[in-house]
Amino acid sequence: AQSVTQPDARVTVSEGASLQLRCKYSYSGTPYLFWYVQYQRQGLQLLLKYYSGDPVVQGVNGFEAEFSKSDSSFHLRKASVHWSDSAVYFCAASMYYAQGLTFGLGTRVSVFP
Amino acid sequence: DMKVTQMPRYLIKRMGENVLLECGQDMSHETMYWYRQDPGLGLQLIYISYDVDSNSEGDIPKGYRVSRKKREHFSLILDSAKTNQTSVYFCASSGDISNERLFFGHGTKLSVL
Repeated sequence: AQSVTQPDARVTVSEGASLQLRCKYSYSGTPYLFWYVQYQRQGLQLLLKYYSGDPVVQGVNGFEAEFSKSDSSFHLRKASVHWSDSAVYFCAASMYYAQGLTFGLGTRVSVFP
Repeated sequence: DMKVTQMPRYLIKRMGENVLLECGQDMSHETMYWYRQDPGLGLQLIYISYDVDSNSEGDIPKGYRVSRKKREHFSLILDSAKTNQTSVYFCASSGDISNERLFFGHGTKLSVL
């Protein structure tokens, strides 16, 4: 079955520190891959997406993600976090267009001053 | 202004009552979705709509039905709501095939007592 796994439910980091959020996918092929962020009491917003090509993709607010076919992973990272990056981050995948996304369970990030 | 609007934001219903959740988008997107979000389960796809009167079940359609009579509107209906349908419901829309990006509404928090 197709699935997206985010192994870390919660991550706590200090402001200014680097951040890496892990995501592994299980698909019979290479899906479209996404990272979304959900701020408190809001809908999800797209951070970045990967379709093909350069395995490192840049997103908004200094986020980037790296695709690895050999590892079936799509990890998100940011070099220096700000308190406003506190949110829940979701990794998602889709094998085909307009079939809906399969989401991981999310990682709650708390940034401390 | 690219926007997905959900009404209402909060709703309390008694078990057995009918529930109507409404969603609108101003981007003329063909494809729209309904998801529910529950702690520990992440986001689960309920229904997809590919255009007016062209709807398809998602992963958890039981207990729900949808209606799409205009491209910009997509409704989720719970006939005789159950307590296990207490959740946060998100509507989303996506554009053309070259851009598999979902735009999400702010969500409707439904409590079924």
